Amino acid sequence: NAGVTQTPKFRVLKTGQSMTLLCAQDMNHEYMYWYRQDPGMGLRLIHYSVGEGTTAKGEVPDGYNVSRLKKQNFLLGLESAAPSQTSVYFCASTGLAGNTGELFFGEGSRLTVL
Amino acid sequence: LAKTTQPISMDSYEGQEVNITCSHNNIATNDYITWYQQFPSQGPRFIIQGYKTKVTNEVASLFIPADRKSSTLSLPRVSLSDTAVYYCLVGGYNDMRFGAGTRLTVKP
Repeated sequence: NAGVTQTPKFRVLKTGQSMTLLCAQDMNHEYMYWYRQDPGMGLRLIHYSVGEGTTAKGEVPDGYNVSRLKKQNFLLGLESAAPSQTSVYFCASTGLAGNTGELFFGEGSRLTVL
Repeated sequence: LAKTTQPISMDSYEGQEVNITCSHNNIATNDYITWYQQFPSQGPRFIIQGYKTKVTNEVASLFIPADRKSSTLSLPRVSLSDTAVYYCLVGGYNDMRFGAGTRLTVKP
């Protein structure tokens, strides 16, 4: 099993451009999450999904949109990128309901906005 | 308000036991406590999880007092490769928020 796969791993954008980050998991997990991590900082939750067709806002949702059209995929979109969105983005998933889920993380996607 | 509070950094030496404490005064009845380890340029990885009392696995122990308002991750006999950031996470599937973490540096 590949686990959680993020694409692309690196991307450079110009201010105002749009892009989509793809997160794919092959563990049949219900719950998926997008985080951003700025240099020297902890992870901040952007959006999450508790199942196919559902999404919800996390701590820092502004400037991002998400979709969960298929259970295995969770997409993070930037409609008009800003330099403040330069960060490393991590996707995670868990398969257990309630409070006992271990999060499985992808390797991260490093985004630079010029 | 932050859900969890941890020391920003800790230093240790190889072979010592390291204890990292996390405060979570507003923990809910159904919340579990989970600890993660993160190396540079990698996603966090699971270390240990518990609900109350003590949990031990092959890499760490987790101590949780009766009031569950704090928890302590114990790493026995650390090595240089344990240098990383350690996060405690408290909450359910709809509140998977990480705190700032503790940067542990193990020295030779």
